[in-house]
Amino acid sequence: GIQVEQSPPDLILQEGANSTLRCNFSDSVNNLQWFHQNPWGQLINLFYIPSGTKQNGRLSATTVATERYSLLYISSSQTTDSGVYFCAVSTGTASKLTFGTGTRLQVTL
Amino acid sequence: GAVVSQHPSRVICKSGTSVKIECRSLDFQATTMFWYRQFPKKSLMLMATSNEGSKATYEQGVEKDKFLINHASLTLSTLTVTSAHPEDSSFYICSAREPRTGGRVGYTFGSGTRLTVV
Repeated sequence: GIQVEQSPPDLILQEGANSTLRCNFSDSVNNLQWFHQNPWGQLINLFYIPSGTKQNGRLSATTVATERYSLLYISSSQTTDSGVYFCAVSTGTASKLTFGTGTRLQVTL
Repeated sequence: GAVVSQHPSRVICKSGTSVKIECRSLDFQATTMFWYRQFPKKSLMLMATSNEGSKATYEQGVEKDKFLINHASLTLSTLTVTSAHPEDSSFYICSAREPRTGGRVGYTFGSGTRLTVV
C-alpha cells in the first residue's frame, strides 16, 4: 500500500514563530487532506488539497502532486495550534484514507 | 456542517466482556463509514470499511471475529469489541464519507472512544 511519511516528527515553537510541515507520499493520489488532532483526540479538517495551494487565515498548504509531497505552513503560531498534524491520502478508486506518521507540535509562550 | 457523533467517549470494561461503540451521522446519510484505531502517540490505523447493508471490509491483520462491525442503516455504524483483553485498550475513531459537489469526497470524524480493558 501507499506509504505516507511526515517530517519533522516533533516540533517545539515559541509563540509567534512560523513553521513548515512536510508530507511525502509514495504513489499518485486523488485526495490529500491535512488534519489537526487536538489534545482531546478530535480530528479537525484543515485542507482538502490534492494539488495546488490554499490559504485559510494563518494556515496555508501546497501540494506538488507530480513530486509527491505536500507542505503545511503555520504562521504566527499560537498555543492553540498545539497538537498533532496529520496528512492523509487516498488513491485510485479506493475512498479510504491512509494517514501519515504525524507531526507533534508544541507551541510555548 | 456535517456532524458525526460517536459514543461512548470513554469506557472501562473488564477482560472478557464485550463493548459496543456507536457512530452516527447526524445530518447526512453515510453509505460508507470507516473505523480507525490509534495507539498513544501513533498515527491512525484503518481497521475496516463499513458499507451500509453489506459486510464490512477488514484491513489485513484485523481480526473480524474480534472486531464486529454492523452498518444497518445509512446513519449508524457500530463497532463491537468482543471478549476484550487489555491489549485491545486503545483510542477508536470512526469516520463517515460524505460525497460533496464536484466529485470531491469529504470525511467527517467522530470524537473518538477511549477504551480501557482492565
